[in-house]
Amino acid sequence: DQQVKQNSPSLSVQEGRISILNCDYTNSMFDYFLWYKKYPAEGPTFLISISSIKDKNEDGRFTVFLNKSAKHLSLHIVPSQPGDSAVYFCAASRGDKLIFGTGTRLQVFP
Amino acid sequence: GAVVSQHPSWVICKSGTSVKIECRSLDFQATTMFWYRQFPKQSLMLMATSNEGSKATYEQGVEKDKFLINHASLTLSTLTVTSAHPEDSSFYICSARAPDGFGFFGPGTRLTVL
Repeated sequence: DQQVKQNSPSLSVQEGRISILNCDYTNSMFDYFLWYKKYPAEGPTFLISISSIKDKNEDGRFTVFLNKSAKHLSLHIVPSQPGDSAVYFCAASRGDKLIFGTGTRLQVFP
Repeated sequence: GAVVSQHPSWVICKSGTSVKIECRSLDFQATTMFWYRQFPKQSLMLMATSNEGSKATYEQGVEKDKFLINHASLTLSTLTVTSAHPEDSSFYICSARAPDGFGFFGPGTRLTVL
């Protein structure tokens, strides 16, 4: 039972444009959501998070939106840069446990 | 920022041998550490939660006798893959929870079982 889903395995975006990565979840008990960036053969790096009591959190080029009624969150990267090319995981937490989505591979081309 | 290290970063072993992976929190004490496993093109799967001084809590479907976890100190947790087989080949990642409640990931260990 996949509680956190990223339905797009890959995304290709031109440099300078907006990248939008989507994530859906099924468990309404999740109280915190996070986005991680991961390069091959490395551990995930934290990007940005959002509490379930908020609907938006912004940090530089990264903005996370949370739609609780739709059980949906998204990560916006504006403007996208080639260095953003990586696999992005969304994760949801309830207490200490993190449940990860399957990841979306973002490729930003010049 | 907080740093979590893993050792070794990669290991190749023969089928039937045991492999130990260490996870260390370098500049903070972690009462709780987590072990994840990632298969190619798949999500990070939580294997177990390791609490200092007590037995680890394993997720459903994870064999506790095969994946031995020891959290002997506030800065060290170890994962031992016993009698490893090729299907155990994977990328293993630990996460340590800092006192502020935030978790930091280690760089991961690539295990290849021949």
